[in-house]
Amino acid sequence: AQKVTQAQTEISVVEKEDVTLDCVYETRDTTYYLFWYKQPPSGELVFLIRRNSFDEQNEISGRYSWNFQKSTSSFNFTITASQVVDSAVYFCALSVPFGNEKLTFGTGTRLTIIP
Amino acid sequence: SAVISQKPSRDICQRGTSLTIQCQVDSQVTMMFWYRQQPGQSLTLIATANQGSEATYESGFVIDKFPISRPNLTFSTLTVSNMSPEDSSIYLCSVAEVQETQYFGPGTRLLVL
Repeated sequence: AQKVTQAQTEISVVEKEDVTLDCVYETRDTTYYLFWYKQPPSGELVFLIRRNSFDEQNEISGRYSWNFQKSTSSFNFTITASQVVDSAVYFCALSVPFGNEKLTFGTGTRLTIIP
Repeated sequence: SAVISQKPSRDICQRGTSLTIQCQVDSQVTMMFWYRQQPGQSLTLIATANQGSEATYESGFVIDKFPISRPNLTFSTLTVSNMSPEDSSIYLCSVAEVQETQYFGPGTRLLVL
C-alpha cells in the first residue's frame, strides 16, 4: 500500500520569504510517480508537477522548485520569494503504474502568505 | 491538458434527497475518476468510472450510495443518493490516460442540510 505524509498542517510566512513544503512517501513499488497539486480557495485542484521515480533530477519552474530524494523518500517543494497568490492548500500525491492509476494524497499543507 | 467542466458548481440539498453531478471533458479520455473531499480534509477516491461497464469502487464506497455512469469517453455522472449532512463535501472528477497525469475538474461543492 502507498502512503504520503505531509507533516506540516499549516504554514504562514511573510510575503517575499522562501518556504519549503515537506512530503514523505512510502511505497514498495520500484516504479512510481510523484505529484504536487495546488488547491486555491476556489476549490479547484491545479496540477504543478509530476516526477517519475527513475528521474531524481531536481526541477525549477520560475519561483517553484522541487527536490526529489529517493534515499529519504522525500519530494519537497520550495517557493522562492513567496507572493500572496501562493496562498493555498498544497497536496503531495503518489501513484503506481498498473495500480488502476489511483492517486494517494497526503493530508495537505495550508500555506498562508502574509502581505 | 483536457478541459474539464462539472455541473453543478455548488448546491444545497435537503437530507434524504439525491443529487447527480456531471463531468464533461472536451476530448476522449481513457480514465475518469471521482473523488470526495470532506471539509478540511484530503481527497479520497470514490471510484473509477469505466466506459461501458460498472464502476470500480474503493473500500468504503458502494454503488447504492454513489451510482456512477459513463456512457462514453467524454462524460460521466456521479449520484449522491439519500443524502445526509455527512455527505457535505467537494466532489471532484479527474481524467487521465494510462500512466499519465490526472487533471481535475473545478469541483462541485455540496452542502446537505
